[in-house]
Formats: sequence, C-alpha cells, structure tokens
Amino acid sequence: DQQVKQNSPSLSVQEGRISILNCDYTNSMFDYFLWYKKYPAEGPTFLISISSIKDKNEDGRFTVFLNKSAKHLSLHIVPSQPGDSAVYFCAAGETGNQFYFGTGTSLTVIP
Amino acid sequence: DTAVSQTPKYLVTQMGNDKSIKCEQNLGHDTMYWYKQDSKKFLKIMFSYNNKELIINETVPNRFSPKSPDKAHLNLHINSLELGDSAVYFCASSQTGAPLHFGNGTRLTVT
Repeated sequence: DQQVKQNSPSLSVQEGRISILNCDYTNSMFDYFLWYKKYPAEGPTFLISISSIKDKNEDGRFTVFLNKSAKHLSLHIVPSQPGDSAVYFCAAGETGNQFYFGTGTSLTVIP
Repeated sequence: DTAVSQTPKYLVTQMGNDKSIKCEQNLGHDTMYWYKQDSKKFLKIMFSYNNKELIINETVPNRFSPKSPDKAHLNLHINSLELGDSAVYFCASSQTGAPLHFGNGTRLTVT
C-alpha cells in the first residue's frame, strides 16, 4: 500500500521556465511533508518542507504548495536551471513517526 | 567531513553469504535509519534506532539485523543473502521530527 504517490516518473522543462512536480498522499493523519533531491550515485538531500498548518512555503527558487483537502502537494521551481536536473522525491508522515516516500520524478532541465 | 557515511559503496556477493554494511553519522542526531530502494525505486524504511532502541521494524525478513554499538553508528547485517536482496541500501539520521540526512547508498548485488 503506497501511501505517497508521484505519478509522473519524468519531466522535461526548458531552462528558465517553471518546473512543477506533483505528489499525492492517502493518509489524512500526515502533517509533515518534505521534498528531497537526488543526484546519481548520491543519497537524497533535503530540499524543502511544509507542515500541515501552512499551505505554502518558499525558499528561494523553490516553493512547496499543500492542498490538504485534496491530499496533494507540489513543488515549483522557478526559474529552472540545468543544475536542477535530478530525481525529486516527495515524502510525508506524522511528526515524530516514519516518513513515507514516493517513487520519485526525474526532472531534466534542457539548456 | 561527511555527515552520514556508509561503507562499502558497492557490494557484490553470492547467494547464501553473510554481509554487513556500516553507517556512521557525525551530526549528533538521536535517530538513525536504514532504507531500501528496490528496482522499482520504492524507498522503504527498514529499521530505525533511537538511543540504542529499535523503534521501527517494518516487515523485513529476520535475516536482516541492525546493530547499533553507539548513537553515531547503525550497521546492517544480512544473513543468507538472496537474489531479491539486491537493491540500494541507504542509511539516514535525524533529530526526532526533523528531515532525514541520507548517506550515499550501498549498491548490493547478489549473484
């Protein structure tokens, strides 16, 4: 039972445009959501998070949006840069408990 | 000054063998984890240790055993390796409720 889903395995975007990565979750008890970025042969690195008391969190070019009623979150990257090309994992969970990860979306930013 | 380091990076072994993967963190975190990423890219938690106490143990075969000699180390021992154990294993650490910091992974291949 996959509690966190990323339905788009891959995404290609032109440099300078917006990248939108999507994530859905099933457990309404989840109150903490994270995005991780992973380069080949490296471990995932934490990118940005949001708690359920917010619907938006911004950090530079990265913004995460949370829609609790739809159990959906998205990561916006603007403007996209070639160095952003990586696999992005969404994760969700209850604070203090384990996080559940999606299967990742491979983003390619085309120069 | 790697935050979470795991060794070896690659491990190739035959079925039936016993092997270990080591993990160390220098972040002072109170919880360490082992995750498995299988061929379908699912990143699933296997174990976590908090102050030397196992607090999460998913439905993992008992051939897998975590061992934590101290707060900074969480090693993974695997007995009687099977073909299906081939995967990338990630060690991670965190303070309770905070984002995970991952190691770079160990790619295990069982032949």
